[in-house]
Amino acid sequence: GDSVTQMEGPVTLSEEAFLTINCTYTATGYPSLFWYVQYPGEGLQLLLKATKADDKGSNKGFEATYRKETTSFHLEKGSVQVSDSAVYFCALGDSNYQLIWGAGTKLIIKP
Amino acid sequence: DAGVIQSPRHEVTEMGQEVTLRCKPISGHDYLFWYRQTMMRGLELLIYFNNNVPIDDSGMPEDRFSAKMPNASFSTLKIQPSEPRDSAVYFCASTPGTSGRVNEQFFGPGTRLTVL
Repeated sequence: GDSVTQMEGPVTLSEEAFLTINCTYTATGYPSLFWYVQYPGEGLQLLLKATKADDKGSNKGFEATYRKETTSFHLEKGSVQVSDSAVYFCALGDSNYQLIWGAGTKLIIKP
Repeated sequence: DAGVIQSPRHEVTEMGQEVTLRCKPISGHDYLFWYRQTMMRGLELLIYFNNNVPIDDSGMPEDRFSAKMPNASFSTLKIQPSEPRDSAVYFCASTPGTSGRVNEQFFGPGTRLTVL
């Protein structure tokens, strides 16, 4: 069945560092791909999405490109801030309107 | 637009008591999902509805859990009787299910349940 694998955390970086959180997927067909973010004490929020191969989703300085050849959707940001500290979830949309979730990666940014 | 509304935000109860969690999805959204989140098991889908009809309840852990959606603007998740291992954050999410936004889920703030 469909699955999502993302790098384990926590990922600890200093402010203004470059961020990469890896996400790979296994799926039949061509699913939509998503990154969600969960700030402490809150629900998950959609951060960005891509619906087809080579699409790039972007929001709040974060980017991710749908790579069909490597079945990946890595999240990147050029310069992280303390306020980016959160848990990041990669997900793919299946044909039944469900999201298949990665385990989540906790990001800690130190000033 | 109001987002997904959940109540209560926090619930503390004793083992054996009945617990009812409530959710109001975003108006016009056709799909509603109930999730449970714990440190040990991460985010788990419990059940989801389409147009008020349960589509997949395979994630409901056992018969103590039940969910209903009597109309398009209200859903409940009930645990009876509750047990300490049910302690978790329970999220409700909805999605419009329309072309271009399929799978785009909007989450409520969650209900933090503690069963003593």
